[in-house]
Amino acid sequence: GDSVTQMEGPVTLSEEAFLTINCTYTATGYPSLFWYVQYPGEGLQLLLKATKADDKGSNKGFEATYRKETTSFHLEKGSVQVSDSAVYFCALTPPGGSYDKVIFGPGTSLSVIP
Amino acid sequence: NAGVTQTPKFQVLKTGQSMTLQCAQDMNHNSMYWYRQDPGMGLRLIYYSASEGTTDKGEVPNGYNVSRLNKREFSLRLESAAPSQTSVYFCASTDKTYEQYFGPGTRLTVT
Repeated sequence: GDSVTQMEGPVTLSEEAFLTINCTYTATGYPSLFWYVQYPGEGLQLLLKATKADDKGSNKGFEATYRKETTSFHLEKGSVQVSDSAVYFCALTPPGGSYDKVIFGPGTSLSVIP
Repeated sequence: NAGVTQTPKFQVLKTGQSMTLQCAQDMNHNSMYWYRQDPGMGLRLIYYSASEGTTDKGEVPNGYNVSRLNKREFSLRLESAAPSQTSVYFCASTDKTYEQYFGPGTRLTVT
């Protein structure tokens, strides 16, 4: 079945360091791919998304490129800030959409220290 | 535009007590969801409602019931709470692009 795998956390970085959080998926066809962020004590919110191969989603300095050949959607940021400390979830929706099949990865916790 | 709202924010129950978690959205979305979030388990879908008047089981429905009261509201009921239901509960709704909009969560402790 469809699934999402994320790198294990927690990840701890110094401010201004480069961030990569790996995400790979298993799905038939071309799913839509998402990154959500959850700040402490809050619900998840969409960070960025991509709906077809080679699309690049970007927001708040974060980027992720939909790579069909490697079934990946890695999240990157060139210079992290303390305010980026949060849990990041990779997710997919199967091609054509399905209300009961929004699949989330387990989440990767990021801590950025000054 | 409040988005997705949930009440209460915190709740402590004794084993066997019942309660209803309330959720409402003002974005005119057809689909709504209830998830639970536990450490190391990520998000798990409890129930969802693809449209007003329909509800379906998700991954972990046992011990829960839901009601889609109207297009805006989707409630989750625990009839007889158990310690295993201690969790953070999130309601979400989705638009046609399948982007999920989450509420702030309800932190439930069952003793």
